[in-house]
Amino acid sequence: QKEVEQDPGPLSVPEGAIVSLNCTYSNSAFQYFMWYRQYSRKGPELLMYTYSSGNKEDGRFTAQVDKSSKYISLFIRDSQPSDSATYLCALGSYQKVTFGTGTKLQVIP
Amino acid sequence: DTAVSQTPKYLVTQMGNDKSIKCEQNLGHDTMYWYKQDSKKFLKIMFSYNNKELIINETVPNRFSPKSPDKAHLNLHINSLELGDSAVYFCASSQARQGGSPLHFGNGTRLTVT
Repeated sequence: QKEVEQDPGPLSVPEGAIVSLNCTYSNSAFQYFMWYRQYSRKGPELLMYTYSSGNKEDGRFTAQVDKSSKYISLFIRDSQPSDSATYLCALGSYQKVTFGTGTKLQVIP
Repeated sequence: DTAVSQTPKYLVTQMGNDKSIKCEQNLGHDTMYWYKQDSKKFLKIMFSYNNKELIINETVPNRFSPKSPDKAHLNLHINSLELGDSAVYFCASSQARQGGSPLHFGNGTRLTVT
């Protein structure tokens, strides 16, 4: 079983839709929870960062962490074509960060 | 002003050759990394250096050798290139060595081995 599981998609939604991206994990040592966005031919960029269970909101983005279920989510409200990218969850333990395989999202105008 | 820059952007070479990728960061970070991203977008850590000291060395063939001349630079040398080495290699940096410190990535070096 992989340490971090993420549905690779692709996920295609109409502009304005609410998008839900999810990851599950198996290692209780993970303490830090991040989402990165990667545009085509670019490096990943940090989108959201949290270390506690619950919700964290930043503009149209909400990160949700449920440590008891080992489940994290990223919600995107009012999705825009510019949100079309690959979204990678990333979980950090003391020593290192482990990435999910990424979900490719396409927002259709 | 690019925070993490790596060169070259593209590298096409034949099996058996030796090649190097260079990385520089101007963020003042202490920790630098090399990640490999395969065709399925899976991003896997290869090496991590903290202030020129190797702190993470994942299960990587010893044909791959990182070198950190100072804390702002981390290079990757690859000997005897194989077809399976084709991937995108990302350099990254972070302020601290802990897994909770956000990573800043370069834009990658796309290596193709023919």
